[in-house]
Amino acid sequence: TQLLEQSPQFLSIQEGENLTVYCNSSSVFSSLQWYRQEPGEGPVLLVTVVTGGEVKKLKRLTFQFGDARKDSSLHITAAQPGDTGLYLCAGAVGAGSYQLTFGKGTKLSVIP
Amino acid sequence: ETGVTQTPRHLVMGMTNKKSLKCEQHLGHNAMYWYKQSAKKPLELMFVYSLEERVENNSVPSRFSPECPNSSHLFLHLHTLQPEDSALYLCASSQDSQTSGNTIYFGEGSWLTVV
Repeated sequence: TQLLEQSPQFLSIQEGENLTVYCNSSSVFSSLQWYRQEPGEGPVLLVTVVTGGEVKKLKRLTFQFGDARKDSSLHITAAQPGDTGLYLCAGAVGAGSYQLTFGKGTKLSVIP
Repeated sequence: ETGVTQTPRHLVMGMTNKKSLKCEQHLGHNAMYWYKQSAKKPLELMFVYSLEERVENNSVPSRFSPECPNSSHLFLHLHTLQPEDSALYLCASSQDSQTSGNTIYFGEGSWLTVV
């Protein structure tokens, strides 16, 4: 069973601060996805990373896939209250899109 | 609007009740999924349907019974549930179930409380 460990579990920061959350595993993934889930909503896909060492930017969010495709990080610059939510990473292990292993998530609160 | 709608959004049921969760996707996708999201546990895949055929059943207890009458609709029939089954049940869809990296679109979820 592939496991994805996300850290920290909880993070509370002031508006304007920078932060990084991590997603680690001992398994190799063919691709890795990051989702954000806001309270009362379902997860929404933010990005998919496929190549080891890949870096993708989405406005103030920077995603990196580890060289060995076992880990990933999400860095947020100048966090805003709208960034509040649960950040989930999910690794793809097989050919099927349903073969995703999810982490437990990092719950981020950005205080105005 | 995610294109995947779930009803009801909230459900409270007794352990002897029978109820159903409904999911409809408006995206023209061929694959649909049920996930369970509990506190302190990762998202758990329960069932996968591709073109109305079940392709995955992750050892889910028989008190959960899925039904996929067509590629746009998915149901989860519930009977004699236990309090530990209380969770957020998420429906999702994707273009197909076989292509790695396909985007999975989630509904808003149905909050289930078993009393």
